[in-house]
Amino acid sequence: KNEVEQSPQNLTAQEGEFITINCSYSVGISALHWLQQHPGGGIVSLFMLSSGKKKHGRLIATINIQEKHSSLHITASHPRDSAVYICAVSLDSNYQLIWGAGTKLIIKP
Amino acid sequence: DVKVTQSSRYLVKRTGEKVFLECVQDMDHENMFWYRQDPGLGLRLIYFSYDVKMKEKGDIPEGYSVSREKKERFSLILESASTNQTSMYLCASSVTGTWGSNNSPLHFGNGTRLTVT
Repeated sequence: KNEVEQSPQNLTAQEGEFITINCSYSVGISALHWLQQHPGGGIVSLFMLSSGKKKHGRLIATINIQEKHSSLHITASHPRDSAVYICAVSLDSNYQLIWGAGTKLIIKP
Repeated sequence: DVKVTQSSRYLVKRTGEKVFLECVQDMDHENMFWYRQDPGLGLRLIYFSYDVKMKEKGDIPEGYSVSREKKERFSLILESASTNQTSMYLCASSVTGTWGSNNSPLHFGNGTRLTVT
């Protein structure tokens, strides 16, 4: 069993739909990261959170430490949101990150 | 904004060649990382460095070495390139977080797609 699991693996939706991507983990963490990778390779850090909720534009990330679960939401989705969304966790006192496999999101116009 | 620059976007090398992948960051970050990304396998850590001249093996260091002579530059070296090292290589940097852990945002370069023939 992977220590960081994302669901779904693939998601196709229509423009305007509310999107939810989930991340569950089984280890103690100091922080959870959400990142976005567009076709062509570049990865951008969207959020880093250790509790509660963060919002940036149409993106919202939440984390429930007790349940070891985080969600990334996209409101009013747009074709330019099409990308792979990756969840990763930082372990306490450790430089390494444990990576999820990613969720490929396609938003159709 | 933090800028992480990888020297090449695309690179084609022959089997047995020595290959240097360069990465430079401009924000005085302590931590630098080299990952490779392959379809179905996600990101895998090759090496990381938390200070000048310091390096630690990641999950898949075999066939690779690194050099960090200056804080801003972290080089990945393939001593003798092989076809199974054909991959997308990603460099990242971050500041040292609380208690030395990596709980600060990662900043990635655009990646180098290496093909070994």
